[in-house]
Amino acid sequence: AQKVTQAQTEISVVEKEDVTLDCVYETRDTTYYLFWYKQPPSGELVFLIRRNSFDEQNEISGRYSWNFQKSTSSFNFTITASQVVDSAVYFCALSEAGRDDKIIFGKGTRLHILP
Amino acid sequence: GAVVSQHPSWVICKSGTSVKIECRSLDFQATTMFWYRQFPKQSLMLMATSNEGSKATYEQGVEKDKFLINHASLTLSTLTVTSAHPEDSSFYICSASSASSYNEQFFGPGTRLTVL
Repeated sequence: AQKVTQAQTEISVVEKEDVTLDCVYETRDTTYYLFWYKQPPSGELVFLIRRNSFDEQNEISGRYSWNFQKSTSSFNFTITASQVVDSAVYFCALSEAGRDDKIIFGKGTRLHILP
Repeated sequence: GAVVSQHPSWVICKSGTSVKIECRSLDFQATTMFWYRQFPKQSLMLMATSNEGSKATYEQGVEKDKFLINHASLTLSTLTVTSAHPEDSSFYICSASSASSYNEQFFGPGTRLTVL
């Protein structure tokens, strides 16, 4: 069965600090996709990244970076030099190939960036 | 990028009435659409998957007679909450994918339903 665990329910950091959001997943498939989404207070989901299971390269996009480690089934997300606008709920998600594109979401991590 | 809209963005209704929520893909043909429900401070839970022209597939525990889903065209899916009750109050989010966007879903902005 597929499962996504985000152990951190809520995190608060002071602006300009770096913060890492953890994500651990479970799947029996060898082909799958991992995602991160941001949900600001408005509620609209903002797509951040999609990673397929065959690409373990770390990704950097501006202040955002992702560390994918198949050996530990983790797909962690780091925000460097955090800003108040980064305050949101962040969801890690998993989709298994051939499962009608279903996406299973973790419970989310609520991130507060304090000025 | 692919755009998905939802209408209305929020709705308030009385208990016992039915509410219809529309989900449209604006610039692509969505072969599959998904409906999620999100209760306050909780995660998104998949309710059902619908393919154009066929019956929706509901997740376990979701009442298909209460949450009617219609996917009549490649750009429109509707979710009707029948005989709504206060416990149906939630944030409903749709997403859409196409045959050419394997495993990539494009999410709508969500509809906040409040049942009085």
